[in-house]
This record gives sequence, structure tokens and C-alpha cells, in this order.
Amino acid sequence: NAGVMQNPRHLVRRRGQEARLRCSPMKGHSHVYWYRQLPEEGLKFMVYLQKENIIDESGMPKERFSAEFPKEGPSILRIQQVVRGDSAAYFCASSPPGRGDEQYFGPGTRLTVT
Amino acid sequence: QQQVKQSPQSLIVQKGGISIINCAYENTAFDYFPWYQQFPGKGPALLIAIRPDVSEKKEGRFTISFNKSAKQFSLHIMDSQPGDSATYFCAASRGGGNKLTFGTGTQLKVEL
Repeated sequence: NAGVMQNPRHLVRRRGQEARLRCSPMKGHSHVYWYRQLPEEGLKFMVYLQKENIIDESGMPKERFSAEFPKEGPSILRIQQVVRGDSAAYFCASSPPGRGDEQYFGPGTRLTVT
Repeated sequence: QQQVKQSPQSLIVQKGGISIINCAYENTAFDYFPWYQQFPGKGPALLIAIRPDVSEKKEGRFTISFNKSAKQFSLHIMDSQPGDSATYFCAASRGGGNKLTFGTGTQLKVEL
């Protein structure tokens, strides 16, 4: 059973460009979570999605950030007009139905904004 | 507001020794307390977790101690090995999951 997959693993963007981060949950998992980890810090919750629904986006910045989890395909975290402060590791986690406590993390996407 | 405080920030332990990492939480609605282990360049991996209805949970060399009245919980790694060298994060959540609130992490180094 493959784990949570994220791509790309590393992404370099210039200021003002768009970044798209993709996450494929574990097989059988229907819940996806996105977290951001700044250097030397813990992970900060951003958003929780189920298929075609955003359940909790209380950790998402109000502007430039959006997330989706379509009926088919991976979950996408989109950052528009990136700034240097967006440089971080972005982790996706998934959990099985009814087991939201058990979150399994992917390897992360390391975003560098130059 | 930091809802989960973790200490120490870094820890050096001799091989075979006991590593102890502590966390304290503020939100009494939290009812699930996992620990994650993260190696450089990797995602966090779920190590062990506890719910408030028990005071201790043990899995192999890893033990969580939980003190509900003090709102504290800790991870004990017995017989620490160099392969245990990693960053450890405590976390908490409420109401059956969704968002995890993480501590700031502890960098553990186990020396020979």
C-alpha cells in the first residue's frame, strides 16, 4: 500500500509566480490535510478537505492561497503571486474515513521563492 | 497563541539511556495526543498516540505518560539508539480529528 504521495518534492518559484502542490492520499483515505512547516518550527495546520468539500480552512491565509480535492485526481494546494515568506515545507496528510485522528504524512514539497 | 508547548528544544542522550520529551497543552477539549518522528528531508511519521482515558501507553521502547489534571504528556524512549536521532513532535486534536496542533519539536541526538 503506497503511502501519501506529494509532488513535486522541490519547487523553486520567483516572486509573483504561482505554485501548485499536489497530494495523492493513501488508498482508501478520503480525508486530506495540508500543513506548512517553516524552518525550525512545528507544523501549522492550513486546511482540511474531503472529496469536493473544504471542511476546515481556518489555517489558510485569506489571500493568495487556495486548496481543492476534486472527485477525481489529487488534492491541489495553490499559492498565487508567491512571496519570499511563502518559502517553507508543505506537507499533506491523509486519514481513513472516520479516523481523522490517524493522519499519515507525505514526504512534503519544499517551496523556495527567489 | 501557542496551544501546545514542547520542551526541551534539543536533547542529547547517550546510547542506552532514556530520552524524555515533555508537552503541555491549554485546550481542555483536546482528546487525542499523538507523537510524530521526523527525519531530515522526510515527512512526520506517526509514532504512538494516547487518549485521556488512560494514563500510560507503551509500544516497544516508546511510552507516553499522560497527566490529565496537569494537562501534560510526555514521551519516553527507553534504551535510546543512534537510529532514534530525529526531531520529535507532540500534537493534539479534538473531536475525532481534523486539525492537529503541533508542538515546536525536539531535536534528539543519541550519541554512542
